[in-house]
Amino acid sequence: DVKVTQSSRYLVKRTGEKVFLECVQDMDHENMFWYRQDPGLGLRLIYFSYDVKMKEKGDIPEGYSVSREKKERFSLILESASTNQTSMYLCASSTFSVTEAFFGQGTRLTVV
Amino acid sequence: RKEVEQDPGPFNVPEGATVAFNCTYSNSASQSFFWYRQDCRKEPKLLMSVYSSGNEDGRFTAQLNRASQYISLLIRDSKLSDSATYLCVVTYYSSASKIIFGSGTRLSIRP
Repeated sequence: DVKVTQSSRYLVKRTGEKVFLECVQDMDHENMFWYRQDPGLGLRLIYFSYDVKMKEKGDIPEGYSVSREKKERFSLILESASTNQTSMYLCASSTFSVTEAFFGQGTRLTVV
Repeated sequence: RKEVEQDPGPFNVPEGATVAFNCTYSNSASQSFFWYRQDCRKEPKLLMSVYSSGNEDGRFTAQLNRASQYISLLIRDSKLSDSATYLCVVTYYSSASKIIFGSGTRLSIRP
């Protein structure tokens, strides 16, 4: 069974804090993705990566950065958290040919 | 314009009804197509892939029309357990494979 694990289910952070969301997959997948999901807006792609140290901006990268130092791990970084980054964050991974994307359980982040 | 557009619903139908969802995508270079299902407070999971020839999995039928850039999902004999949000998903390759989700269509089956 493919497993994508996100480090936290729930996080509460203060405005201005630096926030790290971690995602690990155990299937040797090339692609990894970070999305945020908000009511009425669906899943929006923040960043994705197709290889170690390689990253591509998604549709809403502003205010975020990512790191992929190892193939199995993809981190999302909020450099200075703001209240409008309160959301559900979902990590996904897939093979290069994208036959299926597998998701982590999500991290609900609240910025106060 | 959004890359993948879906009717948000909600669709509220009685058990046993047939319900159809539609989805349009804007990038003609799109390569792969899927329907995902997301239950409340859960992560999305693959329901089925969508092929040009159309494909069926039990009560579910998916179709793709590349010329019209249109994807559909048909659910026959709906069950209470089909209540969920259905997400249309499109992938395409630019510098890397990109997976784009529609905003989802919410389905509620009533007894």
